[in-house]
Amino acid sequence: EVQLVQSGAEVKKPGATVKISCKGTGYIFTNYNIHWVQQAPGKGLEWMGLVDPEDGETKYAEKFQGRVTITADTSTDTAYMELSSLRSADTAVYYCVRELTAGPVYGMDVWGQGTTVTVSS
Amino acid sequence: DIQMTQSPSSLSASVGDRVTITCRASQSINNYLNWYQQKPGKAPKLLIYAASSLQGGVPSRFSGSGSGTDFTLTISSLQPEDFATYYCQQSYSTPRTFGQGTKVEIK
Repeated sequence: EVQLVQSGAEVKKPGATVKISCKGTGYIFTNYNIHWVQQAPGKGLEWMGLVDPEDGETKYAEKFQGRVTITADTSTDTAYMELSSLRSADTAVYYCVRELTAGPVYGMDVWGQGTTVTVSS
Repeated sequence: DIQMTQSPSSLSASVGDRVTITCRASQSINNYLNWYQQKPGKAPKLLIYAASSLQGGVPSRFSGSGSGTDFTLTISSLQPEDFATYYCQQSYSTPRTFGQGTKVEIK
């Protein structure tokens, strides 16, 4: 079964850094980009960035540029999203999702279960 | 960045109704348009890709159409399990962008 399995919920203080993992199983990890999507409570979906596990190339949304780092480890088929300088507005569910590198027209077809990050003093 | 605008933001409908949601892109995205369904507390689920192709396992009452800048998601006969929020998303370029969502509620 094709799956993306994310790490568990996190509680962080303002100014801290969080790192979430996303392990892909059941498919060739390097054939798919991994995207990260933020969903604040009661809000819509916001794209944060992506990594191409084949070569490590990344692209980031301007809103998160400078605070987010997305990486991929092909030895463990795991992608990571690190967000620094956390503030209360970063309280959200974070999803990883795959998209065929050679065919973005096919959409984001497999999503992780989501990781809740709570930022509170 | 390509802006995606959905309408309506919410709608109330009854089981069996035909429901249509529209999505407009701020520039042409050819057919790089996808639709997702999200239920409370769950991850989004891909329904339609490439504007009109049904993702495997998705009921045939869901359909998509459009090209360029204007797109439509149609549910031909609304079922109880279809009450959810629907998002369009463009995969033409980065940053990937989503519509603001359409919440389909029970009338």
